[in-house]
Amino acid sequence: GAVVSQHPSWVICKSGTSVKIECRSLDFQATTMFWYRQFPKQSLMLMATSNEGSKATYEQGVEKDKFLINHASLTLSTLTVTSAHPEDSSFYICSAIGRGMNTEAFFGQGTRLTVV
Amino acid sequence: DAKTTQPPSMDCAEGRAANLPCNHSTISGNEYVYWYRQIHSQGPQYIIHGLKNNETNEMASLIITEDRKSSTLILPHATLRDTAVYYCIVRPVWRWGGSNYKLTFGKGTLLTVNP
Repeated sequence: GAVVSQHPSWVICKSGTSVKIECRSLDFQATTMFWYRQFPKQSLMLMATSNEGSKATYEQGVEKDKFLINHASLTLSTLTVTSAHPEDSSFYICSAIGRGMNTEAFFGQGTRLTVV
Repeated sequence: DAKTTQPPSMDCAEGRAANLPCNHSTISGNEYVYWYRQIHSQGPQYIIHGLKNNETNEMASLIITEDRKSSTLILPHATLRDTAVYYCIVRPVWRWGGSNYKLTFGKGTLLTVNP
């Protein structure tokens, strides 16, 4: 299957700082990318959907000014957690789909964010 | 809200077939059934998907009932590495430029393969 790579795999940051997470589609053009958040022992919660070259569409309850998403190219999307707080500590996962009808989404390996 | 119902957990002996059920009684005619799994602390992995016919690939088989209200994922010879949370998801046919592709995850089934 297609490969989606996230970087970094884990990050620890101080409260109040910003953290950027990258999501890359390595062998296909990702027309749409999705960002999820997963708290311990819970399922994945969709945060936002982004189409290349367009503004992201955020799910209800997700602060767009806090979770900045950029999808500037067909192979890269970034999620920036601004002014991080301990409650933002979570497992962040991206997924991507390429051109073509009814294709499956491929997921990155996830990024473990710990805010101290 | 997720539109599927799965048992919270199942056990399976190594080497035996694992049959994971999923109910999706409100599925629409244009919705596919997708299966993903998530091994602990990793991103979900695509397994298989289907519309109305049974499907098979190198990982698993997907059996969809004739009325499409339920399906079963079959791992023919489960190994310890198949221990994971398995998610059954329904989603509509994706339209170019549309926003209806998003996958909504339920709680899934924790499959534990025992030696």
